[in-house]
Amino acid sequence: EIQLAESGGGLAQPGGSLRLSCAGPGFTLSHAMGWVRQSPGKGLEWVSSVSADDTRRYPADSVKGRFTISKDNSKNTLFLQMNNLRGEDTAIYYCARFSHCGGDCPFDSWGQGTLVTVSS
Amino acid sequence: ENVLTQSPDTLSLSPGERATLSCRASQSVSRNNLAWYQFKPGQAPRLVIYSAFNRATGIPDRFSGSGSGTEFTLTISRLEPEDFAVYYCQQYGNTKTFGQGTKVEIK
Repeated sequence: EIQLAESGGGLAQPGGSLRLSCAGPGFTLSHAMGWVRQSPGKGLEWVSSVSADDTRRYPADSVKGRFTISKDNSKNTLFLQMNNLRGEDTAIYYCARFSHCGGDCPFDSWGQGTLVTVSS
Repeated sequence: ENVLTQSPDTLSLSPGERATLSCRASQSVSRNNLAWYQFKPGQAPRLVIYSAFNRATGIPDRFSGSGSGTEFTLTISRLEPEDFAVYYCQQYGNTKTFGQGTKVEIK
């Protein structure tokens, strides 16, 4: 049973932009969510997180100022706006849902990932 | 950054055997906020263990987690065919980091 599904990946040029989306039965109003990427060179890397109500955002240093996460609860969709893309952003991007645990929490549901390739 | 190092990189075992995977952190993991995930090709990753030793929903009891501080272990007591996969540890404090993975393959 697919809980979350990403879309929007593809080929982008260096300096270009892409917008990833994530939706599915696993998306709820009450869960914080995040993006994680996987590349051959860097392995798994947490990219960004957003609070359940979309008021707090936490980007990794590697994407700060370039990527923006948002959670549109009216559309039941998580987004990742990626600007000024670089070659090192090439990766499979997963959306993931934080569990409810009252503090720092693990991801209890993931999508299958969408491939982003940055190349001229 | 809390760097997680997993060992071994690859574990070649037969169904029915015991698998022991290690995850070592460069700094103490706060509140034992350590998780293990299972990755299989073409499937969504799956949470296996959280808070170092708690099984996630739907995870069979042949999976167990242990450890604290900087040393953690995932044990699969008797491997089933569906358990062959890549396993990653993650510390989910302020800056979340992952290990490089251990592949459990069929011998």
